Amino acid sequence: GENVEQHPSTLSVQEGDSAVIKCTYSDSASNYFPWYKQELGKGPQLIIDIRSNVGEKKDQRIAVTLNKTAKHFSLHITETQPEDSAVYFCAASGTSGTYKYIFGTGTRLKVLA
Amino acid sequence: SQTIHQWPATLVQPVGSPLSLECTVEGTSNPNLYWYRQAAGRGLQLLFYSVGIGQISSEVPQNLSASRPQDRQFILSSKKLLLSDSGFYLCAWRVGGGDTQYFGPGTRLTVL
Repeated sequence: GENVEQHPSTLSVQEGDSAVIKCTYSDSASNYFPWYKQELGKGPQLIIDIRSNVGEKKDQRIAVTLNKTAKHFSLHITETQPEDSAVYFCAASGTSGTYKYIFGTGTRLKVLA
Repeated sequence: SQTIHQWPATLVQPVGSPLSLECTVEGTSNPNLYWYRQAAGRGLQLLFYSVGIGQISSEVPQNLSASRPQDRQFILSSKKLLLSDSGFYLCAWRVGGGDTQYFGPGTRLTVL
């Protein structure tokens, strides 16, 4: 069935360093890939997304790359700050189109001051 | 701009009691609406989604149900709660035909 694997499950970095989170999806028909940040006790917030016709997208310190051939996409956060500490989820649109997402299992990012 | 509301924010209920969680969206028409559950420290499990009034699709068989009595209102219900129903319930919306889902603030449900 449809599946999204996300790694690592936890990630600790020093403030100012970069963080990379990787996701691999199984459905080659997936064409939309959002990333969400979830702070403790809050709902997930969209931070960046990418569509299958684009290989890379950047928004200030955050970037996402997509490799359709390998069916994986990655979130890159540069110059990390303590406020980047949160759980990050990747998702891929399913075979039914963008009605439903297949979510990764989440990565808990800790930025150490 | 669009906003999404969920209430209550927290809820503690005894086993066997009924449940009603409400989600409303402002600033858009005919949104697609979703209910997710998130167990502690876990990922997001899609429970129900709706593409229009009265149209509900169930993803996981369980003792929960959903209804959409109005265009921008989505309700999650149960007649008798189980301990396993505890979790963080999230509502999300999407513009019909759009790609992105936007999440509400969530409801923390504890069943004792």
